[in-house]
Amino acid sequence: AQSVAQPEDQVNVAEGNPLTVKCTYSVSGNPYLFWYVQYPNRGLQFLLKYITGDNLVKGSYGFEAEFNKSQTSFHLKKPSALVSDSALYFCAVRDSSARRLYFGRGTQLTVWP
Amino acid sequence: NAGVTQTPKFQVLKTGQSMTLQCAQDMNHEYMSWYRQDPGMGLRLIHYSVGAGITDQGEVPNGYNVSRSTTEDFPLRLLSAAPSQTSVYFCASSYRGTTEAFFGQGTRLTVV
Repeated sequence: AQSVAQPEDQVNVAEGNPLTVKCTYSVSGNPYLFWYVQYPNRGLQFLLKYITGDNLVKGSYGFEAEFNKSQTSFHLKKPSALVSDSALYFCAVRDSSARRLYFGRGTQLTVWP
Repeated sequence: NAGVTQTPKFQVLKTGQSMTLQCAQDMNHEYMSWYRQDPGMGLRLIHYSVGAGITDQGEVPNGYNVSRSTTEDFPLRLLSAAPSQTSVYFCASSYRGTTEAFFGQGTRLTVV
C-alpha cells in the first residue's frame, strides 16, 4: 500500500536558521514526490516535485528537497528560514500508475523572529 | 485563467440532507480529485478521475458519489449527509500524474 509519513507534527525554527521538514514514503515502483504548502484558510500551493533525474530538487520561495532512494525519504529544506514561511507543509506521493496522489498528515512550521 | 473553482465556500447541512459540491477547472486538465481535510489527518482522497467518463474510488469513498461528464467539471455528491462528513473539502486538478496538482480554495462543510 502506498503511504507517506511526516514524523513531526510541528517544527519550530528561528528566523535565519536552516529548516528541515521530514518526509518518508512507501510506494510500489518509482515514486513521484511532491511538496505543497497551505496558508490559513487557503488551498494548497505547489512547492516542488521529484519525478526523475537529479536527487536535489529546487522549488519556489528558496525551498529545496533531496530525494534519497535508499532511505525512501524526500525531506524539504531551506538554508535560511523566514517568518513568512510559517505554514502547514504537506508531502505527497503518486503511486506507480501515477493516478492516485497520497498525502502525509502535514507538518506545521513556525518560524519565530 | 480562473484555475480550480469550488462552490460553495461554506455550507451547513442537516443530517440526512443531500447536496452537491461543485468543482470546475479551465486548464484542460485530465486528472481531477476530491479530498477531505480533517485536523491531524492530512488530506484523504475521496474519489478521482483520470478523464471524462472515468472515475474511481480513493481512500474514503463511502457516502460520496462523483461523475465526470466533461473535462472541466467534477461534482461531488453527498446523498445523505452525516455529522462525520463535517470537514473541509478540496478539489484538485492536474494535467497528468507526473505534473503538479492545482487546488481550489476549499469548501467548509458542517453537518448538524
